[in-house]
Amino acid sequence: QQQVKQSPQSLIVQKGGISIINCAYENTAFDYFPWYQQFPGKGPALLIAIRPDVSEKKEGRFTISFNKSAKQFSLHIMDSQPGDSATYFCAASWGGSRLTFGEGTQLTVNP
Amino acid sequence: GAGVSQSPSNKVTEKGKDVELRCDPISGHTALYWYRQSLGQGLEFLIYFQGNSAPDKSGLPSDRFSAERTGGSVSTLTIQRTQQEDSAVYLCASSPDRGSGSPLHFGNGTRLTVT
Repeated sequence: QQQVKQSPQSLIVQKGGISIINCAYENTAFDYFPWYQQFPGKGPALLIAIRPDVSEKKEGRFTISFNKSAKQFSLHIMDSQPGDSATYFCAASWGGSRLTFGEGTQLTVNP
Repeated sequence: GAGVSQSPSNKVTEKGKDVELRCDPISGHTALYWYRQSLGQGLEFLIYFQGNSAPDKSGLPSDRFSAERTGGSVSTLTIQRTQQEDSAVYLCASSPDRGSGSPLHFGNGTRLTVT
């Protein structure tokens, strides 16, 4: 029940395209859903996060869509750029619990 | 504002040796986490500290792994009698508090290679 399942494992998009990464969870107690971005040789960094009381959150080119009934959430990267090439992790937690991370998606944006 | 600092950045050790990995969290952050990231894999939780105590050490894979935190600041992860399967990047993160929604600030990790 603590698992967060992420797909796809890898994703290649063209510059200017939309990148979409999906996550699904089982634990309905989860109340915090962040996305982290990791560049090679660096630690993950918080990109954007959402709570289940809203269905969408947008920050610049990055949007989280949240479907509480389906227990799914996704990250959309609009106008994808080569500089967005990185590994993206979804995660979830509840109360004071630790973050449980998805398996990661390696995104490549071709120029 | 320095971030989370981890040392060493790389460590190569022989199977059976003990290793110590160090984490200096952001000043004032009370929560500290250790995660492990194997090649191409996600982040595996190891242990969580609130202050100097470890209320959740459920992710430590075996009794060869231990960790401590002193002065509510620096933490050390110790792996005894290292095995090849211990090879991974060990990431430390700190957070202002434990509450859900408190962002984790990660260091750049220690890449451990056991030969």
